[in-house]
Amino acid sequence: DADVTQTPRNRITKTGKRIMLECSQTKGHDRMYWYRQDPGLGLRLIYYSFDVKDINKGEISDGYSVSRQAQAKFSLSLESAIPNQTALYFCATTAYTGELFFGEGSRLTVL
Amino acid sequence: GNSVTQMEGPVTLSEEAFLTINCTYTATGYPSLFWYVQYPGEGLQLLLKATKADDKGSNKGFEATYRKETTSFHLEKGSVQVSDSAVYFCALRATDSWGKLQFGAGTQVVVTP
Repeated sequence: DADVTQTPRNRITKTGKRIMLECSQTKGHDRMYWYRQDPGLGLRLIYYSFDVKDINKGEISDGYSVSRQAQAKFSLSLESAIPNQTALYFCATTAYTGELFFGEGSRLTVL
Repeated sequence: GNSVTQMEGPVTLSEEAFLTINCTYTATGYPSLFWYVQYPGEGLQLLLKATKADDKGSNKGFEATYRKETTSFHLEKGSVQVSDSAVYFCALRATDSWGKLQFGAGTQVVVTP
């Protein structure tokens, strides 16, 4: 099994719908991140969390919210999806070495 | 603010050719530098890293040297294979970033037989 698991892997939805992307990890790391990947823009940080009680905004948090349900679980929500949120979303974890461990990604299409 | 600039792709090469992907950065202090690789349909995985000036990271035949004087961390491989076809991301972790990475835009590499 993968160390970082994301669900769903692919999702097509309509404008205005609420969407949740889930992430769970088995690496035992405290730090978890949500990134968004767009062609030509690389990865941009949406939110990050250092433990269950610590949630921080990244560079592009508008339109998104997160929940850290447990050390191993970190979910990303789009309360009212819009087409420009169509992207590939990655969850990642890290210990203190700096290396990020990524999930396989969740491809979201908003029509 | 911190930023990473890498060469645009796609870079198309024949098998056994030499690969260079340029990466330069802007950051205060002494950041750590990383190269990540993303194979089709997969997440990113760490390829190599360097944590201080003049360090050389290496893995799977790839190398990159942390050059503080030119603020660069160029990725090189002497003889690429078809299996090296992927998107490569340069990234930095600033000293005050609480573990967050700043990524470049990515460079797609296509290796043909």
